[in-house]
Amino acid sequence: TQLLEQSPQFLSIQEGENLTVYCNSSSVFSSLQWYRQEPGEGPVLLVTVVTGGEVKKLKRLTFQFGDARKDSSLHITAAQPGDTGLYLCAGGIETSGSRLTFGEGTQLTVNP
Amino acid sequence: SQTIHQWPATLVQPVGSPLSLECTVEGTSNPNLYWYRQAAGRGLQLLFYSVGIGQISSEVPQNLSASRPQDRQFILSSKKLLLSDSGFYLCAWRKPGATEAFFGQGTRLTVV
Repeated sequence: TQLLEQSPQFLSIQEGENLTVYCNSSSVFSSLQWYRQEPGEGPVLLVTVVTGGEVKKLKRLTFQFGDARKDSSLHITAAQPGDTGLYLCAGGIETSGSRLTFGEGTQLTVNP
Repeated sequence: SQTIHQWPATLVQPVGSPLSLECTVEGTSNPNLYWYRQAAGRGLQLLFYSVGIGQISSEVPQNLSASRPQDRQFILSSKKLLLSDSGFYLCAWRKPGATEAFFGQGTRLTVV
């Protein structure tokens, strides 16, 4: 059973379009992170959200944590080819201690 | 500053051969350590994590094992590799109580 469900699994769009990626769970998370991964490398942290309802912005990227801390979204405005990559959500369930689990990822391709 | 080293970067091993992947962290003490496996373009599957020397939590029953002989050293092993063990293996660390995880460069393992 996957604790973190990400959708869509694949997304191919044209430069300039907007997109939203979702991360959902039936469990409550003490915090949730979004990572971006390039082929052949380890994931790199984009943002951490810890408070229910929290919204964080990173240039053209907007991250939101659900009020109940069970879900999150990543919205990219005016996508660029440099945004291409695998986007992963990750988090620790409140009752799971140091365990850190990842979603299945969204493979984003932005075509010029 | 903290750094994480993982080696080797690539490995080709025959079925039935043993495996030893090593990960070391520098510049911090008592880190939480993690081993993940990743299929191409997919999310990270948590294999093992450790909160201290000799303390290993196993997530997935399989023919892999992990050990933490020193505070900042984490080793992934197998006595006999299977074809299904092929994949991209990632080591990560994070400070106890922190949210961000930092990843090594990964090991591409191909079992032939």
